[in-house]
Order: sequence, then structure tokens, then C-alpha cells
Amino acid sequence: GEDVEQSLFLSVREGDSSVINCTYTDSSSTYLYWYKQEPGAGLQLLTYIFSNMDMKQDQRLTVLLNKKDKHLSLRIADTQTGDSAIYFCAEIHTGGFKTIFGAGTRLFVKA
Amino acid sequence: GAVVSQHPSWVICKSGTSVKIECRSLDFQATTMFWYRQFPKKSLMLMATSNEGSKATYEQGVEKDKFLINHASLTLSTLTVTSAHPEDSSFYICSAETPGANSPLHFGNGTRLTVT
Repeated sequence: GEDVEQSLFLSVREGDSSVINCTYTDSSSTYLYWYKQEPGAGLQLLTYIFSNMDMKQDQRLTVLLNKKDKHLSLRIADTQTGDSAIYFCAEIHTGGFKTIFGAGTRLFVKA
Repeated sequence: GAVVSQHPSWVICKSGTSVKIECRSLDFQATTMFWYRQFPKKSLMLMATSNEGSKATYEQGVEKDKFLINHASLTLSTLTVTSAHPEDSSFYICSAETPGANSPLHFGNGTRLTVT
């Protein structure tokens, strides 16, 4: 069935790199997304990757996609306290054209 | 571009009253909008898909008579929580689909509803 899984919690020190991992089940997904949610706010689209790519870099963000293993990761370089938030990965399920979200990874950045 | 505005950002109401939440796409037309509910420290729960000019599609377990959705124009969808009870207190978020296949969803900033 449709499923997107993420680890629930990650803690890093300020200045270190953060890597948030995600696995998904729909091998026909064409786009995979990363969203950021700060406390009390909606979701902000951070970046996305097309399924025929295996890497995308956008400033401090690097997305890696392993389509064979259905594994997606988001790397945040030089993590700052302002990066503390919940990060959701999502795929568009081509069967029903719904966006399926993972449970979210809560990132804590220690100063 | 692709800004979604949600209003109000927070509301407190008494049990038994109804509350309307608005979701607007400011710079694009959205034939489809989505309504989610989020419990503390939990992921998003899709409540319903709002389609312009037609009835909303509700997810299993969501009471359509309690959560009324209206999508009367290409830029506005509303969610009305009728006869609210304290257990309806939650964070409600809308999103809108931008035009184009496989386009990402863009989210409003959410509405925190507290029912006393």
C-alpha cells in the first residue's frame, strides 16, 4: 500500500550536517518532496527531486534519491538553530494522485 | 509565487457553535485544495479533498456533516466546523495544488482551533 516512513527524531550540534532519511513504496512516483514545518505554522516547500535524478543541490540542502531502494534523504549542511523544525518527505501517489506524507522528522539543533 | 493564505490563524469558540476557516490561493487558481488536521507532535491527517464546483471527497472516518467544505471559486475553499466540541480542538491546515502535473502542494499557515 501507500506508505512513506521517516525516523521521528534527530538531534545535531550547530554547525554539523544533518541527514534526514525517508523510504517510500510507490516506485512510480515522479516527484518527491521535502517540506519544513516550524512550530505553529503550515508546511513550507523546501525542495523536490524528479525521479529521474539521483541528486539535487540547493545551497545548504542536498537531496539524494536511490530509486532502486526507494530511499530519499535530505542533507542540511552547516545546520543552524533556525533549522530546528519538523521535516516531512512526501511523494505523489500516482494511483490516486494523492500526496502521501511521512510522519515527519523532528530536528533539534543544539547550540 | 504560489502563496496560500489561511484565515484565521487562531480561533477560540464555545461548544456548540460553528467556525469557518478560509483557504485562499492568492496568485494562482486552484481547482483542488486539501484540508488536513494535525494533532500535537503528529503528522498531517488528510480530512478531505475540495474540488471547485463539486462536492468534496472525504477521507474515511471524517464526518462530512460536521466538517462542511465549500469550494465555490477557483481561489477559495472554506471549512466549517459545525457544532464544535472540545475534541475538535486541533490545528487545521489547508493546501492547494498548483497547476501542472505532479506539481507540489503549497500550504497555508494553519488555523489553531480551541473549543471551550
